[in-house]
Amino acid sequence: NAGVTQTPKFQVLKTGQSMTLQCAQDMNHEYMSWYRQDPGMGLRLIHYSVGAGITDQGEVPNGYNVSRSTTEDFPLRLLSAAPSQTSVYFCASTLRRTGVSGANVLTFGAGSRLTVL
Amino acid sequence: GQQVMQIPQYQHVQEGEDFTTYCNSSTTLSNIQWYKQRPGGHPVFLIQLVKSGEVKKQKRLTFQFGEAKKNSSLHITATQTTDVGTYFCAGSAAGNKLTFGGGTRVLVKP
Repeated sequence: NAGVTQTPKFQVLKTGQSMTLQCAQDMNHEYMSWYRQDPGMGLRLIHYSVGAGITDQGEVPNGYNVSRSTTEDFPLRLLSAAPSQTSVYFCASTLRRTGVSGANVLTFGAGSRLTVL
Repeated sequence: GQQVMQIPQYQHVQEGEDFTTYCNSSTTLSNIQWYKQRPGGHPVFLIQLVKSGEVKKQKRLTFQFGEAKKNSSLHITATQTTDVGTYFCAGSAAGNKLTFGGGTRVLVKP
């Protein structure tokens, strides 16, 4: 049982380049999300999905796109990378967002460290 | 929107001493969760509190949810070097997204 798998672990981009951060989970979780972590800022929600075919914006969505074609995968696309997007990105999933106590506990991937020059 | 604040941002603790980190929400929460992130690692779930005034313990860690369900605390007794890391609280109001606090980074002096 792999949990939440993120690739790549490290990436360096030049300003204006595009790329996709991959996230896959094998726990049949309905809810998947992307966070970015910057020093002193905690974890900020970028985009999330409550199920296949459904996505929504979080706190800091600008410059990022997502899609959810399957339950397992939730890729994050940077359309035109900017230095302000240098960060550590975490994908997280949970069985469901609300409802049964404990069902909304997040399982995080190992993270993807992105540097934009 | 919902805001969650954590204090202190940094905590330097002598090994063997106790300390407490605090979490305050701008809105009433339906539940609060605590996560620990080791240096270079990813956040790992520690515990969830759902009831007003609830207190839960995990070995040397004591978690408390305030009576008004707007604040929470984590108290660590007899700090060890294994306690090093960043502790995040995260709260959600009913039906809303989980909002994380900025974290308390704990450094332990041997």
